[in-house]
Amino acid sequence: GESVGLHLPTLSVQEGDNSIINCAYSNSASDYFIWYKQESGKGPQFIIDIRSNMDKRQGQRVTVLLNKTVKHLSLQIAATQPGDSAVYFCAENQRNQGGKLIFGQGTELSVKP
Amino acid sequence: DTAVSQTPKYLVTQMGNDKSIKCEQNLGHDTMYWYKQDSKKFLKIMFSYNNKELIINETVPNRFSPKSPDKAHLNLHINSLELGDSAVYFCASSQRVEAQPQHFGDGTRLSIL
Repeated sequence: GESVGLHLPTLSVQEGDNSIINCAYSNSASDYFIWYKQESGKGPQFIIDIRSNMDKRQGQRVTVLLNKTVKHLSLQIAATQPGDSAVYFCAENQRNQGGKLIFGQGTELSVKP
Repeated sequence: DTAVSQTPKYLVTQMGNDKSIKCEQNLGHDTMYWYKQDSKKFLKIMFSYNNKELIINETVPNRFSPKSPDKAHLNLHINSLELGDSAVYFCASSQRVEAQPQHFGDGTRLSIL
């Protein structure tokens, strides 16, 4: 069935280091992928997205990489800051499914000062 | 100027009661969603509405009834609450069906005693 999963449930990094959060997906028909950040007591906040016709997209301090061959998605955060501490979710969407997002399990990122 | 707002933020009630959660978005979006986040932070879609019309009903028990009086509001009514309904419920919206990203509210934490 459809599933989006994460390799690591927790990730601890030193402030200033780069962070990489990984995600595996199983639905080869998915054509849109998105990363959300969720802080404690808040709702998921959009970070960056990518469509299946691309393999890389960059934002401010964040980069998303998509490898369709192995159905793998990653989020790279450059120069990680304490404010980046949160749970990060990947999600996938398949066209003509009513906009339904299928979420992965979430990775908790902890940034040590 | 909150984009997607939910009320109440916390809801504590007893098993068997009926309760409602309200959601409003001021983004001018056509499509709204309800997601459930369990104790392990897993997010799963429940419903989506496009311009007051039901688009997705993700095999949710019929004790859950969404109601959309207009495209800016999507309320969730839950009858005969059960212990397993304890979760955080998130409302989200997107510009239209199939449009991404979705914008989330800050959630309603429902606790069943």
